[in-house]
Amino acid sequence: GAVVSQHPSRVICKSGTSVKIECRSLDFQATTMFWYRQFPKQSLMLMATSNEGSKATYEQGVEKDKFLINHASLTLSTLTVTSAHPEDSSFYICSASKINSPLHFGNGTRLTVT
Amino acid sequence: AQSVTQLGSHVSVSEGALVLLRCNYSSSVPPYLFWYVQYPNQGLQLLLKYTTGATLVKGINGFEAEFKKSETSFHLTKPSAHMSDAAEYFCAVRIMDTGRRALTFGSGTRLQVQP
Repeated sequence: GAVVSQHPSRVICKSGTSVKIECRSLDFQATTMFWYRQFPKQSLMLMATSNEGSKATYEQGVEKDKFLINHASLTLSTLTVTSAHPEDSSFYICSASKINSPLHFGNGTRLTVT
Repeated sequence: AQSVTQLGSHVSVSEGALVLLRCNYSSSVPPYLFWYVQYPNQGLQLLLKYTTGATLVKGINGFEAEFKKSETSFHLTKPSAHMSDAAEYFCAVRIMDTGRRALTFGSGTRLQVQP
């Protein structure tokens, strides 16, 4: 069964509003989770590494004030897209792993900003 | 810097035919290599991985891949395609000596299976 749960699977929001996406590790503790973004018919691009109890590490070109990441517990990381705009519409996927195990991915969140 | 190249953004095969999806990597040290499959509007499912040891790796759904260091390749194969194999396939690499646990993905290959 799924080991990483992502919620919601789909969300539609109006331009200017904020959206929160949750990523949970279901049966293990994840000190590190990863957030990826996937544009249509393209590959996954790493946005940031979420570290439990500390600040996230963002990849070059990703706006940290735009994409707020909180990793308050060992089983939950959240990504908040602030003041969303249509260009933020995308497929967002989180991942996490147990130590010395491959990454497991959530089922993704399809964000549509109108 | 690590990178992953998947040759062929689209591959079409007939049902029952051999599936071959190509992946090459660039890395100065032996990497960990992965193949993931993605169905529409879903996350990624791990097919198989190479870390150390045997270079021929068997995964789920009849897929396998062989790590060839001399060719810096990790091609994915399946002897006989099934309609349910139609999906997007991603090759990914993780460089182990950097402390970086995130994966770098190739651009993906869409597999079509014709009846």
